[in-house]
Amino acid sequence: EPEVTQTPSHQVTQMGQEVILRCVPISNHLYFYWYRQILGQKVEFLVSFYNNEISEKSEIFDDQFSVERPDGSNFTLKIRSTKLEDSAMYFCASSEERLFSGNTIYFGEGSWLTVV
Amino acid sequence: KQEVTQIPAALSVPEGENLVLNCSFTDSAIYNLQWFRQDPGKGLTSLLLIQSSQREQTSGRLNASLDKSSGRSTLYIAASQPGDSATYLCAVNNFNKFYFGSGTKLNVKP
Repeated sequence: EPEVTQTPSHQVTQMGQEVILRCVPISNHLYFYWYRQILGQKVEFLVSFYNNEISEKSEIFDDQFSVERPDGSNFTLKIRSTKLEDSAMYFCASSEERLFSGNTIYFGEGSWLTVV
Repeated sequence: KQEVTQIPAALSVPEGENLVLNCSFTDSAIYNLQWFRQDPGKGLTSLLLIQSSQREQTSGRLNASLDKSSGRSTLYIAASQPGDSATYLCAVNNFNKFYFGSGTKLNVKP
């Protein structure tokens, strides 16, 4: 079964550093997402991406964050000047079409980011 | 803002028992609702998707119902097995993003 793959699975970074989390969505999918889950909290939406641009972002997704599809397969989340509170599991996801039409969303296994 | 609540937060049952997990949401203007399974340290696996016009969906031993007007959904697991032990998340779809509940952590004892 096709799957969303994420790298790295775990990254430890110093506060103030920049990190890039990488994702390879399912090949025929057109919509891409980042969600995050702070330990012990709910999974929360960060951003959705379609046709090489952000289609929606949450209030969490401020100027510290950016997303990019640098080539035909990768989808990245960049976090600048990391803070302790950025420590979380970051999930990449993709869907073939928009979710409101009942398309299934597929999640990767997550990248666990620890900021020290 | 949509708020999703799941009850109970944790549940421990003996193998073979039938069980019900509950989900409620505050804004009934949803497109669909999905139930996910999350194993420790792993990603989210979609179990069942119910469109807003549907009342229920079934997959094997799982049955999910949706009462959109009252803002409730239930996930029924029949004949539970130790392999069902995981956290079950309810998520409601608002156009193109999901709002998640906190999950129900299920432990099925052999």
